[in-house]
Amino acid sequence: DAKTTQPPSMDCAEGRAANLPCNHSTISGNEYVYWYRQIHSQGPQYIIHGLKNNETNEMASLIITEDRKSSTLILPHATLRDTAVYYCIVRAYSGNTPLVFGKGTRLSVIA
Amino acid sequence: KAGVTQTPRYLIKTRGQQVTLSCSPISGHRSVSWYQQTPGQGLQFLFEYFSETQRNKGNFPGRFSGRQFSNSRSEMNVSTLELGDSALYLCASRQEEGSYEQYFGPGTRLTVT
Repeated sequence: DAKTTQPPSMDCAEGRAANLPCNHSTISGNEYVYWYRQIHSQGPQYIIHGLKNNETNEMASLIITEDRKSSTLILPHATLRDTAVYYCIVRAYSGNTPLVFGKGTRLSVIA
Repeated sequence: KAGVTQTPRYLIKTRGQQVTLSCSPISGHRSVSWYQQTPGQGLQFLFEYFSETQRNKGNFPGRFSGRQFSNSRSEMNVSTLELGDSALYLCASRQEEGSYEQYFGPGTRLTVT
């Protein structure tokens, strides 16, 4: 079972920041937070991951709370192409445990 | 680098038949995983292969099997197809070391009639 809780859906105006929350209150010390997204009818796409520090790449920023029980994925300037299902996944950094996808958040970017 | 490729992209089969799907990972990636995606169950892990060995398996019946070749390409097979096997089958590859950044292919859409 997925170890995360996400809202089922969110809307965001085009050009505004999209802030997608994720709750992972049972996260262990060696577990990372991963974010993937899936645009309709395509394979999931890796976005970003982090342990406890905030992370940023060309796609998004990941803010993890100090107690690590929740995080927020930020798309700074959402476009229509960012409309997708976003998955927050908790997993140990190494080892062979597969990714467990929950239901994710369906983000709709509106013009 | 070329991404993960899957063939065929679409497939229609009849109940009772068997099917083989193919996946070519990103060059240099030695791990290949397979997932099944359906509207009701979402994305579910099938199995993972590394160096031609299956090292992880999800909760699927024995009708679902796979293999990996020495060039890291992988195939999955489903025998005695059932209507419920209709799904999008996704392949993902990753480097062996380090974080679990998986790169997914576009998937094969299987329809069983």
